[in-house]
Amino acid sequence: GAVVSQHPSRVICKSGTSVKIECRSLDFQATTMFWYRQFPKKSLMLMATSNEGSKATYEQGVEKDKFLINHASLTLSTLTVTSAHPEDSSFYICSARDVGTDQETQYFGPGTRLLVL
Amino acid sequence: AQSVTQLDSHVSVSEGTPVLLRCNYSSSYSPSLFWYVQHPNKGLQLLLKYTSAATLVKGINGFEAEFKKSETSFHLTKPSAHMSDAAEYFCVVSEKSSASKIIFGSGTRLSIRP
Repeated sequence: GAVVSQHPSRVICKSGTSVKIECRSLDFQATTMFWYRQFPKKSLMLMATSNEGSKATYEQGVEKDKFLINHASLTLSTLTVTSAHPEDSSFYICSARDVGTDQETQYFGPGTRLLVL
Repeated sequence: AQSVTQLDSHVSVSEGTPVLLRCNYSSSYSPSLFWYVQHPNKGLQLLLKYTSAATLVKGINGFEAEFKKSETSFHLTKPSAHMSDAAEYFCVVSEKSSASKIIFGSGTRLSIRP
């Protein structure tokens, strides 16, 4: 149980284009999902908290117009990197909480490697 | 305010020997504590969690951790290391609130020598 998937697992795009990453909870409902960014050999940095049916809450220093988050259903949240630039290249990981059984544990997706050329 | 400190950025042990990954935390309230493992280019997998029940928590793959409030520690141990244990390990703290975020430690890279 508590499986989270991400799609795509890897994406390469040209500078200036937009990229959408999907995060799905496969076997539970998630009213809250989280988006993280991880730099090489570093820990995870929380970018935003995604709440189903409402606006995401962004961490300080994260541009909300750059990283668009939509949480339209209890099993899907999307992160769109708009007008991507090489400095946006990173490993993006989402997580979700199964509030039906455990309000504290976050279950993580496998991550999406973004490379912007 | 919450914080978590992983005392070692890199730990190297021989296969078959014990593993100890150290973690200290700071929390204003009774915390929940977690250990996650991340293999290269993969997401994070939950190893175990402490949520105020038994102080000795058993997890997957033979790992366990002991919550010591007096020492504000939550060290991860395994009696006998396996080559497949080589990975990055993160200690995580969360305050007991449905709206709370979690705080990650900086991670410990575990290497296993043949």
